[in-house]
Amino acid sequence: ELKVEQNPLFLSMQEGKNYTIYCNYSTTSDRLYWYRQDPGKSLESLFVLLSNGAVKQEGRLMASLDTKARLSTLHITAAVHDLSATYFCAVDNGNKLVFGAGTILRVKS
Amino acid sequence: NAGVTQTPKFRVLKTGQSMTLLCAQDMNHEYMYWYRQDPGMGLRLIHYSVGEGTTAKGEVPDGYNVSRLKKQNFLLGLESAAPSQTSVYFCASTADSGWSYDTDTQYFGPGTRLTVL
Repeated sequence: ELKVEQNPLFLSMQEGKNYTIYCNYSTTSDRLYWYRQDPGKSLESLFVLLSNGAVKQEGRLMASLDTKARLSTLHITAAVHDLSATYFCAVDNGNKLVFGAGTILRVKS
Repeated sequence: NAGVTQTPKFRVLKTGQSMTLLCAQDMNHEYMYWYRQDPGMGLRLIHYSVGEGTTAKGEVPDGYNVSRLKKQNFLLGLESAAPSQTSVYFCASTADSGWSYDTDTQYFGPGTRLTVL
């Protein structure tokens, strides 16, 4: 059974600081997704990582995938308040996704 | 192009009542999914469909039924609602391209907030 663990589950950051969210999964998969959810809203796709070594960047967010280590990271550079949200990783499990519990990110000014 | 829409947005039920949640997508996607979201637990897959006329169980299917009579619609039914089904329900869809492209992510609807008293 595929299990997906995110850490930390809650992250309080100062503006301008860097930090990394980790996503570990238990069985082999070559595809991993990152989503953002604002309070009371739906999920928005951030990154699609389709192979080992994949790296994607959008603004202050960068995601990477290491399929051998079964690990993905979401790195935040110079955080700003607008990045406050819940971030989910999700791992492909045969045309279905298994989600992590989510990381609540709060950026303080 | 509305994407994925869900009806209703909010609903309050009494224990034992039944209801149907409707999901519609206008992107001609083959795959559709129903999830529930509970605090601290991420999203859990209830049922999914890989094409018109097909359905399959996900991680937490008990107490729910689904139907995909038309490609663009995916219905989630609760036959006898229980307080444990209080949750936010999300529908999602994705294209069938072998999950090989950057666009092969799931597109989510706005959610339905259901309370069962």
